[in-house]
Amino acid sequence: NAGVTQTPKFQVLKTGQSMTLQCAQDMNHNSMYWYRQDPGMGLRLIYYSASEGTTDKGEVPNGYNVSRLNKREFSLRLESAAPSQTSVYFCASSEAWDNHYEQYFGPGTRLTVT
Amino acid sequence: RKEVEQDPGPFNVPEGATVAFNCTYSNSASQSFFWYRQDCRKEPKLLMSVYSSGNEDGRFTAQLNRASQYISLLIRDSKLSDSATYLCVVNREAGTALIFGKGTTLSVSS
Repeated sequence: NAGVTQTPKFQVLKTGQSMTLQCAQDMNHNSMYWYRQDPGMGLRLIYYSASEGTTDKGEVPNGYNVSRLNKREFSLRLESAAPSQTSVYFCASSEAWDNHYEQYFGPGTRLTVT
Repeated sequence: RKEVEQDPGPFNVPEGATVAFNCTYSNSASQSFFWYRQDCRKEPKLLMSVYSSGNEDGRFTAQLNRASQYISLLIRDSKLSDSATYLCVVNREAGTALIFGKGTTLSVSS
């Protein structure tokens, strides 16, 4: 099993460009998450999908949109990238939204916006 | 007060040392507690859950003090491979998102 996979691993964008970060999990998990991690800020939740067909905003949703394409896939879209969105983006999944379940993380996407 | 606070370190210890990390959380309704480990430029991975009665996994011991809203992680007989950032993770209350602390960095040297 690959676990949680993310593409691309690295990306450089110019301000105003758009892109979609892809995430897929093969663990048959119901819940999926997008986080960003910035130096000195810790991991912050952008959006999550508690189950297939639902998505909700997290702590820092502005400037992002998400799509839960099916049970396996959860994508994050930046419509008009800004330098403040330079960060490392992690996708994660868990068996359920219940807090007792371990979250499994993908390897991350390192995004630089110039 | 921040929701989850950790001493950022770094903690620099020799191999074989015992080291303890502390974490405080602000929401008394929090119900789930975890320690995650993150290696440099890698994704976080669950180290252990923290139970009310305290729990141990090999060289690692986690404790929870609900009255003081305090969690700890003790690492005994430190190994070089323990060098990483340790993230304290708490939920606000049932059915809400997990909150990650900023992490405590440990460096174990020979």
